[in-house]
Amino acid sequence: QVQLVESGGGVVQPGKSLKLSCEVSGFSLSDYGVHWVRQAPGKGLEWLAVLSYDGRERHYSDSAKGRFTISRDISKNKLFLHLTSLGVEDTAVYFCAKLDIESDCWGQGTLVTVSS
Amino acid sequence: DVVMTQSPLSLPVTLGQSASISCSSNHSLVARDGDTYLNWFHQRPGQSPRRLIYKVSNRDSGVPDRFSGSGSATDFTLTISRVEADDLGVYYCMQGLLWPLTFGRGTRLEIK
Repeated sequence: QVQLVESGGGVVQPGKSLKLSCEVSGFSLSDYGVHWVRQAPGKGLEWLAVLSYDGRERHYSDSAKGRFTISRDISKNKLFLHLTSLGVEDTAVYFCAKLDIESDCWGQGTLVTVSS
Repeated sequence: DVVMTQSPLSLPVTLGQSASISCSSNHSLVARDGDTYLNWFHQRPGQSPRRLIYKVSNRDSGVPDRFSGSGSATDFTLTISRVEADDLGVYYCMQGLLWPLTFGRGTRLEIK
């Protein structure tokens, strides 16, 4: 059964960094790309980043480029999103998601609150 | 970036009636392989999103046939027939052709 579980969220001060994790089961990160998507309180969905199955391609949204870095540890079945230079506008629930033709599967999300 | 425009942003419906949501893109979503990469997602309050439709009109596994997608190139429609209470929430279109992937602003389906 495919499952994704995010962790690492919390309250962080503006300008600081945070590393989110997404632990996957039921499939291998070496077979499928996985995305990060966020949702600010009361707002819509914003796609952030993806890491391809072979690790060769990383794509970012304009808001993520230069500040967020997607990476993975295949041996631990974990995808990461390293957030830096955080601002209050980065306050959101961060989801990881497996989105492919066969099916989609989302985690429950982890809340990041940027506040002084 | 590809801009996805949804309308309406709010859609009051009567249970049992039909509802339609429009989505347009400022770039054709037709790929070189001939497929069109337009998806529809549904998000209930407090839950993670779930994809309903991929490549314009293909229903994901377990999605009732009351949900149908149509359209081509830059203009798309999600139609829900015989709306049920479980259908309420926010619907998003998302283009999957070009990086960065982009979502529409969402359409909130609510009881009239």
